[in-house]
Amino acid sequence: EVQLVESGGGLVQPGGSLRLSCSTSGFTFSNYGMHWFRQAPGKGLEYVSAIIYNGGSTYYVDSVKGRFTISRDDSKSSLYLQMSGLRAEDTAVYYCVTGGGHYFEHWGQGTLVTVSS
Amino acid sequence: QSALTQPRSVSGSPGQSVTISCTGTSSDVGGYNYVSWYQEHPGKAPKVMIYDVSKRPSGVPDRFSGSKSGNTASLTISGLQAEDEADYYCCSYAGTYTFVFGTGTKVTVL
Repeated sequence: EVQLVESGGGLVQPGGSLRLSCSTSGFTFSNYGMHWFRQAPGKGLEYVSAIIYNGGSTYYVDSVKGRFTISRDDSKSSLYLQMSGLRAEDTAVYYCVTGGGHYFEHWGQGTLVTVSS
Repeated sequence: QSALTQPRSVSGSPGQSVTISCTGTSSDVGGYNYVSWYQEHPGKAPKVMIYDVSKRPSGVPDRFSGSKSGNTASLTISGLQAEDEADYYCCSYAGTYTFVFGTGTKVTVL
């Protein structure tokens, strides 16, 4: 069974930093591209970042470019999102997501990031 | 990337059919046959219901179907059931390993 478990969320002040982790199991992690999505309270889903299967390329939504860094450790089957310069509008549940094609079959339960003073 | 446009809400009685539209541009919906649809119940992670415009993952009831014409994709739920009440989001590939979601539609079973 595929499992994705996010951690690292919490309350952080504006301008602060946070590192999200996603621990995975049940599939060959190194073969899959991985993604971070987010959902602000009462709002819709938003694509945040992606990293291809070998970590050779990364992608970011414009609003987080220069502030967020996605990375992966295939030896630990884990995905990370380093977030800095956090803003109130970054407040959201962050989901770790993967899938074999151009869709997303497996989702974690999400971790809540709250940016507030 | 601008979010794809979905109606805010649709509703229907049990047994009826409802259709949710998802309008994008030639850079996303119209440019690729990679539209997927996600069902989200409160407090739960989204679940894929349709992928590659019209394909159904194993375990998804066949009352869920998808289609696309030009820059607009659609999700139809036939034979609406109480458990179908949820939020639904479309998602399209937009090139260079990026994706864009729709604004979301709340389906209410009357």
